[in-house]
Amino acid sequence: NAGVTQTPKFQVLKTGQSMTLQCAQDMNHEYMSWYRQDPGMGLRLIHYSVGAGITDQGEVPNGYNVSRSTTEDFPLRLLSAAPSQTSVYFCASSGGVHDTFGSGTRLTVV
Amino acid sequence: DAKTTQPPSMDCAEGRAANLPCNHSTISGNEYVYWYRQIHSQGPQYIIHGLKNNETNEMASLIITEDRKSSTLILPHATLRDTAVYYCIVANYGGSQGNLIFGKGTKLSVKP
Repeated sequence: NAGVTQTPKFQVLKTGQSMTLQCAQDMNHEYMSWYRQDPGMGLRLIHYSVGAGITDQGEVPNGYNVSRSTTEDFPLRLLSAAPSQTSVYFCASSGGVHDTFGSGTRLTVV
Repeated sequence: DAKTTQPPSMDCAEGRAANLPCNHSTISGNEYVYWYRQIHSQGPQYIIHGLKNNETNEMASLIITEDRKSSTLILPHATLRDTAVYYCIVANYGGSQGNLIFGKGTKLSVKP
């Protein structure tokens, strides 16, 4: 099992550009979520999903969109990148016991 | 805001037990205590969780007080590779339902 796979690992965007961060899991987990982590801080929840077709907002959803068309994939879309979105993004999935996290995407918006 | 309080940093000598405390005085009856750690800038790694009984696995032991208002994560023989930020989280069983609230955690430094 690969677990939770995030791509890309690194990305530099210009202000105003859009992009999609990919997250895939091969554990057939129902629950998936996206977090961001700013320097010296804990993780903050952006969006989460409790199953295909169901998503909800977390603590910091502004500027991000998600969809969950399959159990395996949970992409995070940045609509119009801003320097304040420079961060490390983590995706996680859970089968109902505990979360498994991906290795992260390091995003810089210039 | 995080529902837990942890010391910002702790040191431990290599080979010794590391005891990381956590206060969660507002924990509700159906909430579990979870511990995760984050090594350098990697994704958080699950360690252990419990409801009210003490728990042990291959990584650590979790001691929860009888009133459930505090807990201690014990790494029995700390190694340099255990240097990480440790997060104590209270959440409903199952995680990833939008209910993992990370605070700043405890930065554990294991020293030779």
